[in-house]
Amino acid sequence: GAVVSQHPSRVICKSGTSVKIECRSLDFQATTMFWYRQFPKQSLMLMATSNEGSKATYEQGVEKDKFLINHASLTLSTLTVTSAHPEDSSFYICSAKAHYEQYFGPGTRLTVT
Amino acid sequence: GQQLNQSPQSMFIQEGEDVSMNCTSSSIFNTWLWYKQDPGEGPVLLIALYKAGELTSNGRLTAQFGITRKDSFLNISASIPSDVGIYFCAGQHYSGAGSYQLTFGKGTKLSVIP
Repeated sequence: GAVVSQHPSRVICKSGTSVKIECRSLDFQATTMFWYRQFPKQSLMLMATSNEGSKATYEQGVEKDKFLINHASLTLSTLTVTSAHPEDSSFYICSAKAHYEQYFGPGTRLTVT
Repeated sequence: GQQLNQSPQSMFIQEGEDVSMNCTSSSIFNTWLWYKQDPGEGPVLLIALYKAGELTSNGRLTAQFGITRKDSFLNISASIPSDVGIYFCAGQHYSGAGSYQLTFGKGTKLSVIP
């Protein structure tokens, strides 16, 4: 149990375009989901906390107008990177909270050319 | 903010050896979690600890929640090649407005020599 999926696993887009990443909890309902960013050889950095039916809470330094988060249902949260630039290239990982634990998706590798 | 010091940063061990890694913090956490991450994948939860002093095992893995609630260790016994990866500790704390967040250590990269 407690499986989290992400789609797509890899995406390449051109600078200036927008990209949407989906995160789904497959076998449980998650009132809270989290979005992380991970640079090579570094730890996970929390970007925002997403609560179903309400606005996401963004960490300091994360632009909410650039990284749009929608948590429309108890099993789906989306992250949209708007007007992507090469510096947005990274590994984006979502997680969903089940009881007291957080379970992570497999990640999405975003490359902006 | 919350910070976790995870050590060692990397380890090279022979297959069959035992491994130990730990995390310490100046802050108190109410839950400690240990994850393993393979290249290009998301972290996979290994063990969750909920009470100070708790010792929990999962196969060859054993983890403990420190009595002071500021530290935790993870042991792996009789390592095998598939244990290779990056291990992260994470402390869970209340972040306000009914939400809990994880603070991650910087990871321990484990290499196993067959």
